[in-house]
Amino acid sequence: DQQVKQNSPSLSVQEGRISILNCDYTNSMFDYFLWYKKYPAEGPTFLISISSIKDKNEDGRFTVFLNKSAKHLSLHIVPSQPGDSAVYFCAAGVLTGGGNKLTFGTGTQLKVEL
Amino acid sequence: EAGVTQSPTHLIKTRGQQVTLRCSPISGHTSVYWYQQALGLGLQFLLWYDEGEERNRGNFPPRFSGRQFPNYSSELNVNALELEDSALYLCASSLGLTKETQYFGPGTRLLVL
Repeated sequence: DQQVKQNSPSLSVQEGRISILNCDYTNSMFDYFLWYKKYPAEGPTFLISISSIKDKNEDGRFTVFLNKSAKHLSLHIVPSQPGDSAVYFCAAGVLTGGGNKLTFGTGTQLKVEL
Repeated sequence: EAGVTQSPTHLIKTRGQQVTLRCSPISGHTSVYWYQQALGLGLQFLLWYDEGEERNRGNFPPRFSGRQFPNYSSELNVNALELEDSALYLCASSLGLTKETQYFGPGTRLLVL
């Protein structure tokens, strides 16, 4: 049972435009969400997180939006840059009693074109 | 500051063999996590160690085991290797029992023939 889903395996965006990566989850116990970026042959790099008490968190060009009622979160990258081309994973966890386990989606390959 | 380090970077084994993967966390981090990323799948949680104890375990058979040493480094052992164990094994660390962000190492790519 895939509790965290990234339904778009790939996304192509032009440089300077907005990239929107989406993630859906089914487990209503999740209350902590993260986005990671992964380049080939490297481990995932933490980008941004959000807890369920918020609906938006912003860090520079990256903004994460959380819609708890829809069990949906999204990562916006504005403006997109060629260096942003990577695989993006969303992850979810439970703040208390969750055993620190993160559940990951299968990733979305973002390609930012010149 | 050095990040999470893992060794070896690549490994080739045959079915039935045993393998040990190693991880050193970021200095000051007491929690170490292991994840498996098989081809086409997301990261699957394997194990969590904190202060030398196993705190949580994912849905993997007992032939996946590990330990954490007093210096907080960790080993992941996989016995009786099967072809489907071929994957990227990622180690992450965090500050501790609270939900601090997990920071990942570069991974060990294991190929089982």
